[in-house]
Amino acid sequence: GAGVSQSPSNKVTEKGKDVELRCDPISGHTALYWYRQSLGQGLEFLIYFQGNSAPDKSGLPSDRFSAERTGGSVSTLTIQRTQQEDSAVYLCASSSHLGTEAFFGQGTRLTVV
Amino acid sequence: AQRVTQPEKLLSVFKGAPVELKCNYSYSGSPELFWYVQYSRQRLQLLLRHISRESIKGFTADLNKGETSFHLKKPFAQEEDSAMYYCALNGGATNKLIFGTGTLLAVQP
Repeated sequence: GAGVSQSPSNKVTEKGKDVELRCDPISGHTALYWYRQSLGQGLEFLIYFQGNSAPDKSGLPSDRFSAERTGGSVSTLTIQRTQQEDSAVYLCASSSHLGTEAFFGQGTRLTVV
Repeated sequence: AQRVTQPEKLLSVFKGAPVELKCNYSYSGSPELFWYVQYSRQRLQLLLRHISRESIKGFTADLNKGETSFHLKKPFAQEEDSAMYYCALNGGATNKLIFGTGTLLAVQP
């Protein structure tokens, strides 16, 4: 079927606003990952889900960041009170189970002005 | 702690020259290691994984547990190899897929 889908592709928001980023993983994939890609910073791990649970949230940069996954499928990454340093490309990936090949979405480019 | 280090941000070579993209890791157990590639305006995608011990697009990578390295090599670079390359580690105990900061490979004609 279709690959990992992320929406929106681009998001421009004003500083202080909340944003919600969505990830639709490949159907049947139990593992889901969120990363942040910034110039010169590589791929920064944010959080991963096994099913609906998130065993490791240590990568979330601050308490303004949260993520959830429902029905073992769609995941949303929410950033509250956005700051300019939140500007980056947010990537989502899924895999059939942990440790196997991760398939990436096209990313959401977030710009905070 | 899991850590992946890619010391070179940019590697520029001429077409036909050998290429080696360095990757070192830190993990106390038995890791799974991967190389991912991102071509211009394309999604990040898997290039190869150490357990497969295969050659993809002429690239190979050998896991050296003594040196904790997983360098990516190709004997003769092609212009179409120009891309961003990321080394990644999955620590089985934590099941967290961690990436290095990436190396931009630029193959000059």
